[in-house]
Amino acid sequence: GAGVSQSPSNKVTEKGKDVELRCDPISGHTALYWYRQSLGQGLEFLIYFQGNSAPDKSGLPSDRFSAERTGGSVSTLTIQRTQQEDSAVYLCASSLASTSNQPQHFGDGTRLSIL
Amino acid sequence: EDKVVQSPLSLVVHEGDTVTLNCSYEVTNFRSLLWYKQEKKAPTFLFMLTSSGIEKKSGRLSSILDKKELFSILNITATQTGDSAVYLCAASPLNRDDKIIFGKGTRLHILP
Repeated sequence: GAGVSQSPSNKVTEKGKDVELRCDPISGHTALYWYRQSLGQGLEFLIYFQGNSAPDKSGLPSDRFSAERTGGSVSTLTIQRTQQEDSAVYLCASSLASTSNQPQHFGDGTRLSIL
Repeated sequence: EDKVVQSPLSLVVHEGDTVTLNCSYEVTNFRSLLWYKQEKKAPTFLFMLTSSGIEKKSGRLSSILDKKELFSILNITATQTGDSAVYLCAASPLNRDDKIIFGKGTRLHILP
């Protein structure tokens, strides 16, 4: 696609429910990143994919968070048993191969609100 | 620990003023520094800087990197209300794109 597409744009759910966030990167971009941005804060790195593999999952805040990317394209970020502190904007970005020193292109994010 | 610190955290100026936003960094095996503008939603890329002393310019925006003093500045001249946004700075280490570190941003508000 023309840009990074994320869905849903907004999600409101009750504490304890599971949520799944989707990211469709720019066509041809092999690197994909998930970040979390809380109100007034910078971007908190969550996980990075090069192709389908995620070399470093240490940025995920807890074991309730997981992410996968299949087919080297679309990625999903899943949060299980959501807590109120999970409320934030979840941003996805993609770039050309990670070794190319190219800037990341961001999606509009998913605003997640946990009641 | 690697970190990126931006200052000021927020800034309010009048239209037509010139502003300078600061970004200092401590990153192991530094490769490049990036500036983004974030209005309501997606951060949009402004500049990538890899070499010291070379100014990058785009219209009224310009940026420069000092690798000796480990900082960068973003200048905006003749500010307009459309420049109101959060400006994010990020530092990228060599061969570790999963370790790109963002600052907390500078929230800039331009008064008409």
